[in-house]
Amino acid sequence: GAVVSQHPSRVICKSGTSVKIECRSLDFQATTMFWYRQFPKKSLMLMATSNEGSKATYEQGVEKDKFLINHASLTLSTLTVTSAHPEDSSFYICSIHSGLAGAYEQYFGPGTRLTVT
Amino acid sequence: GDSVTQMEGPVTLSEEAFLTINCTYTATGYPSLFWYVQYPGEGLQLLLKATKADDKGSNKGFEATYRKETTSFHLEKGSVQVSDSAVYFCALTTGRGSQGNLIFGKGTKLSVKP
Repeated sequence: GAVVSQHPSRVICKSGTSVKIECRSLDFQATTMFWYRQFPKKSLMLMATSNEGSKATYEQGVEKDKFLINHASLTLSTLTVTSAHPEDSSFYICSIHSGLAGAYEQYFGPGTRLTVT
Repeated sequence: GDSVTQMEGPVTLSEEAFLTINCTYTATGYPSLFWYVQYPGEGLQLLLKATKADDKGSNKGFEATYRKETTSFHLEKGSVQVSDSAVYFCALTTGRGSQGNLIFGKGTKLSVKP
């Protein structure tokens, strides 16, 4: 399967600052990338779908002005958590999708642990 | 809406024991079903999948059969190893074309003791 990296793997920031998380597809051109949030002992929650060259589609309840997504190329998508608060502390995971009809597999990055103090 | 329910963990087994992790789903249309595994410190990896009723997905000794009549996709393995210790997620998608966003269950943590 495709290899997906995320950077950083772990970040600690102060309240009010912004944090950027990168998701890279290392060996595959990803037309679609997904951003998930995983709470402790809970499922992954889809935050948004990012399509290369167009605006991201956010799930209901996810603030697009707070979680800025940029999918500038077929190998890179970024998630910026703006004006972070302690409740934004979580595990953020990206995945890529081939975009091929009938191919539903997603390939996941290793995740980024965000802690807001 | 669409949803996935899987058995609560954690599940603790001895090596070579039989494993079953139950998963049931609710979905409109005809979903594709998946099991993903997350090893400690790593990202999710696709373990197996089934795209239509009665399909059996299998990989690394794990199996799951798409049962439309019971809306289930239970994961089984005949003899677990310590290296199988991980969190297992059942998931579905009803996506078509390029929008294949996944709906996950809450995950089941498996610990296998030597």
